[in-house]
Formats: sequence, C-alpha cells, structure tokens
Amino acid sequence: SQQGEEDPQALSIQEGENATMNCSYKTSINNLQWYRQNSGRGLVHLILIRSNEREKHSGRLRVTLDTSKKSSSLLITASRAADTASYFCATDGGGDGNKLVFGAGTILRVKS
Amino acid sequence: ETGVTQTPRHLVMGMTNKKSLKCEQHLGHNAMYWYKQSAKKPLELMFVYNFKEQTENNSVPSRFSPECPNSSHLFLHLHTLQPEDSALYLCASSQASVLAGGLGSSYEQYFGPGTRLTVT
Repeated sequence: SQQGEEDPQALSIQEGENATMNCSYKTSINNLQWYRQNSGRGLVHLILIRSNEREKHSGRLRVTLDTSKKSSSLLITASRAADTASYFCATDGGGDGNKLVFGAGTILRVKS
Repeated sequence: ETGVTQTPRHLVMGMTNKKSLKCEQHLGHNAMYWYKQSAKKPLELMFVYNFKEQTENNSVPSRFSPECPNSSHLFLHLHTLQPEDSALYLCASSQASVLAGGLGSSYEQYFGPGTRLTVT
C-alpha cells in the first residue's frame, strides 16, 4: 500500500499567504523527502529530513517530522505565483535503500 | 536543468511498434531509476539500478525492458505496448545506497523532464 499520503489533495491560496501541506506514512523510515513538480515536468527535490530530525528549513520552506505520529508537514511561507505546482512527499521504507515511495501529491495553486 | 536529460520528450507509438527511451545523467551518480506517472495516480517506481545492476523490478510487465550499459545511461525498451501504458515516463538518478544489496538510507533523486508517451 502507499507509503506517503498528502493532505489536502488541492490547495488554493492568494499570493503572500502561507501554504501548509501534510504527509502521513505507515512504516518506519530513514528519511522523508519533499519534491515539487510543475505541470507535466520532472520532479525537483526540495528538502530531505532524516528520521532523527524534527524540523528543517530551506529558504521559504519549513519541514517538520513527527515519527511518533508518522507524519510530516511542508510549510511554504509568503507564497508566490511561481510556487504553483504539485508537491509530493516520498519515504524510503526504513532501509529499502534507494526505493522511494511517493504519495499522490498536493496540487497547490497560488493566485496573484 | 537538473543534470538529467531524457529523449525523446514526446513519443507516439502504435501497439506493434518498438521504441526506446533514453536517459543520461551528468552528475556522477551510481543509481538510476525509471518511474511511470499516469494521470491521477501516484508516481510508480518501475526499475532501480545500482552500480549498473538491477536491484528492483516492481512487477513491471515484460513489454518494458530496461538496459543500463554504464552508470551514466539508462534505456527503457518498449514493445507491443497497450493504450493503458500511455503516461509520463520519468528517469532519475542519485547516489547509490552503499550497503549490501543496495539497502540503507535513501538519497535525494534528480529527475529528468520526462517522456510523454502516447500509445495508439
């Protein structure tokens, strides 16, 4: 069954607002990753958070990880129209090496 | 530009054709992947290669045949496909997992732009 599941499925906000996306997973992990995909293009890696980390920042991105709840969140602050994309979490199943399992994604639309 | 290129970007083929997708990475990675992305479905891992050896075949039908001649190149050979095989095919690369059998922690993956495949 699917490892990562994102919530919400779709999110529409105004430019300048913050966007929060959540990811839940089922098994133990070594790390969790977030990716962005613009329509019909390849995925772009955003951030990797290890299982012993609770929070990580990269520019306007903030990722949290709660291994006790098997959940993660991605916060994009001060959103821009260019942030419009699909966002996916991916987990490695706690020792399956390079085998990542992706969730269905959250479609984010930022209106200018 | 992620350092991973894919050709062709678009491909239309009949069910009796044979075609190949090509992926090349310029990042010095030792692991490469094929994924399938269909409309309204999560990204599906198809194949994984670590140090040119196939370490994962995710129950992919034999009409898809991967080939990894070296760490920089990955091919996906297609033959007698079905219309339901129409999808975006993504190639990715990463550092290889160095533990035995390719297990261990995962690394960030770098994706190519994909090949949009339509089977008629």
